[in-house]
Amino acid sequence: EAGVAQSPRYKIIEKRQSVAFWCNPISGHATLYWYQQILGQGPKLLIQFQNNGVVDDSQLPKDRFSAERLKGVDSTLKIQPAKLEDSAVYLCASSRGYGQPQHFGDGTRLSIL
Amino acid sequence: KQEVTQIPAALSVPEGENLVLNCSFTDSAIYNLQWFRQDPGKGLTSLLLIQSSQREQTSGRLNASLDKSSGRSTLYIAASQPGDSATYLCAVKQTGANNLFFGTGTRLTVIP
Repeated sequence: EAGVAQSPRYKIIEKRQSVAFWCNPISGHATLYWYQQILGQGPKLLIQFQNNGVVDDSQLPKDRFSAERLKGVDSTLKIQPAKLEDSAVYLCASSRGYGQPQHFGDGTRLSIL
Repeated sequence: KQEVTQIPAALSVPEGENLVLNCSFTDSAIYNLQWFRQDPGKGLTSLLLIQSSQREQTSGRLNASLDKSSGRSTLYIAASQPGDSATYLCAVKQTGANNLFFGTGTRLTVIP
C-alpha cells in the first residue's frame, strides 16, 4: 500500500511569512496526526483528526497555526506568521483508528531565516 | 504528565554485536508502546508495537520487551548490521489519551 505522502519536502521562509504543508494519509486511515519535531527531540503532537473532526489540538499554537482536513482525507497545516522557533520537521502520520500503529510520512523540513 | 526517557543518547557498536536500547516512562497507565526507527531526513518507520497486556514482541532480529510495572521497555537487536544505523525512538500511548509521548531517541551507529 502507498505510504503517507507529504509535500513539500523542504521549505525556507523568512520570519513573519506564511507557509502551508500538505499531507495525504494512507487510504482508509481515519485518524490523521500532525507532529512537530525540533532537532534533537522526539516528535510532539500538534493536532489529531478523526475523519474530518478535530480530536485533540491542545498543543497547537492557535494564534499562528491552523489545520484542516476537508472530506476526511487530505490535510493541510498552516503557519502564519512564522517565528524563528518554528524551525522544525513537520511530520504527518495516519492510523486506522485508536490504538492502531501510526504510519509516518517523510516530513517537511522548515527553516525560518 | 507522561515523560519518556531513552538512554544512552548515542551508541556505537562493531558489526555483529548484539545490543540493547532502553526506554523508561513515568506513568505506567499506558495503552501500548511503540518502537520506531528514523533515518536521517526521513520520517519514522514503525518497528514493533507492544500492547499493555503483552510482555514482548519479535520481528526478525528485533525483540522488544515491556515491563509496565517498572516503567521500562527494551529493544534488543541481534547480530547488528551497518544498515541498522539510525535513530531509534520509543513512544508511549496513554490509556484514554490520543497522542504518543516520544523519547528523544538513541542514535545507533554500527561500525563495519
